Amino acid sequence: QKEVEQNSGPLSVPEGAIASLNCTYSDRGSQSFFWYRQYSGKSPELIMSIYSNGDKEDGRFTAQLNKASQYVSLLIRDSQPSDSATYLCAVYNAGNNRKLIWGLGTSLAVNP
Amino acid sequence: DTEVTQTPKHLVMGMTNKKSLKCEQHMGHRAMYWYKQKAKKPPELMFVYSYEKLSINESVPSRFSPECPNSSLLNLHLHALQPEDSALYLCASSQEHSYEQYFGPGTRLTVT
Repeated sequence: QKEVEQNSGPLSVPEGAIASLNCTYSDRGSQSFFWYRQYSGKSPELIMSIYSNGDKEDGRFTAQLNKASQYVSLLIRDSQPSDSATYLCAVYNAGNNRKLIWGLGTSLAVNP
Repeated sequence: DTEVTQTPKHLVMGMTNKKSLKCEQHMGHRAMYWYKQKAKKPPELMFVYSYEKLSINESVPSRFSPECPNSSLLNLHLHALQPEDSALYLCASSQEHSYEQYFGPGTRLTVT
């Protein structure tokens, strides 16, 4: 059974701090990795995608991928209360025929 | 235009009703998806269309019937639903080989 695991949280950080969200996956052949943000009652929003080992930065967000250790992380710098949401990790393997494998999500609360 | 739209936003229907959910994308994407999402769970894939052809049906009950009239439009026809089908129904699209899926705002469905 291919799995993606995330800590459910809630992860609570003070405003201005760095929030670190982690995701591990079981399928070593996974090729593409995505982070989605989902506010309560809203749809998932793609915020980061990463395909190769290393770091990828976009504004306050940095995605980190380590295929050897089978984990992907999302760092949010200078966290704001508006970052409070559930963050979903999704992993893709072409062998799954375009089917993303989703983690259960980590709830993040940024406290003013 | 980088947007996926869905109508209606909310839908309440009885178990004997027939209704349809609609989705439209203007990103030139060639893959479109229907997902179902229950509270505090990740999206659950239902159907995938690629180049207007159904490529994945995740063993969804026949009371859900998808249709892809053209590359920009996706419908989900609903008939004889059960109360447990109440959920947020999400449409998404992606470039065929990108796998970065972009979600619409969803339709909140309540079956009474």
